[in-house]
Amino acid sequence: DQQVKQNSPSLSVQEGRISILNCDYTNSMFDYFLWYKKYPAEGPTFLISISSIKDKNEDGRFTVFLNKSAKHLSLHIVPSQPGDSAVYFCAARTGGFKTIFGAGTRLFVKA
Amino acid sequence: EAEVAQSPRYKITEKSQAVAFWCDPISGHATLYWYRQILGQGPELLVQFQDESVVDDSQLPKDRFSAERLKGVDSTLKIQPAELGDSAMYLCASSTTSGRARETQYFGPGTRLLVL
Repeated sequence: DQQVKQNSPSLSVQEGRISILNCDYTNSMFDYFLWYKKYPAEGPTFLISISSIKDKNEDGRFTVFLNKSAKHLSLHIVPSQPGDSAVYFCAARTGGFKTIFGAGTRLFVKA
Repeated sequence: EAEVAQSPRYKITEKSQAVAFWCDPISGHATLYWYRQILGQGPELLVQFQDESVVDDSQLPKDRFSAERLKGVDSTLKIQPAELGDSAMYLCASSTTSGRARETQYFGPGTRLLVL
């Protein structure tokens, strides 16, 4: 049972444009959400997070939006850069702090 | 910048053999996690340590997998015997504590295991 779903295995975007990565979840008990970025041959690195009491969190070029009623969150990257090409994992936590990861979306930013 | 160290980076073994992976967390991090990432999927928690104690090993296949963190610092994950389905990336992560939902986990580069 996939509690965190990233339905797009890959996304291709032109440099300078917006990248939008989507994530859906099923467990209404999740109260904290994270995005991780992973380059080949490296472990995932934390990118940005959002608490369930907020609907938006921004950090530089990265913004995460949370729609609790739809159980949906998205990561916006503006403007996209070639160095953003990586696999992006959506993750969610309950009060027990166990982190559940989605399957990831591979982002290609074309120069 | 402090990093989580893992070794080996790559391991090829034959089924029924034993394999072991090592992880050295960031100094001072009390919580250590072992994840397994199968190709095309996200990381899945196998075991979580708080200091030397196991906090969660509910997803660890205990008939063949074992993990230890004897002195509450570095950790070893062992598989015996290895099966074809164990081929995956094994990731180690650490955090200062598991007591806060907003705690950031720092991941090592992983060990890629191929079982033939």
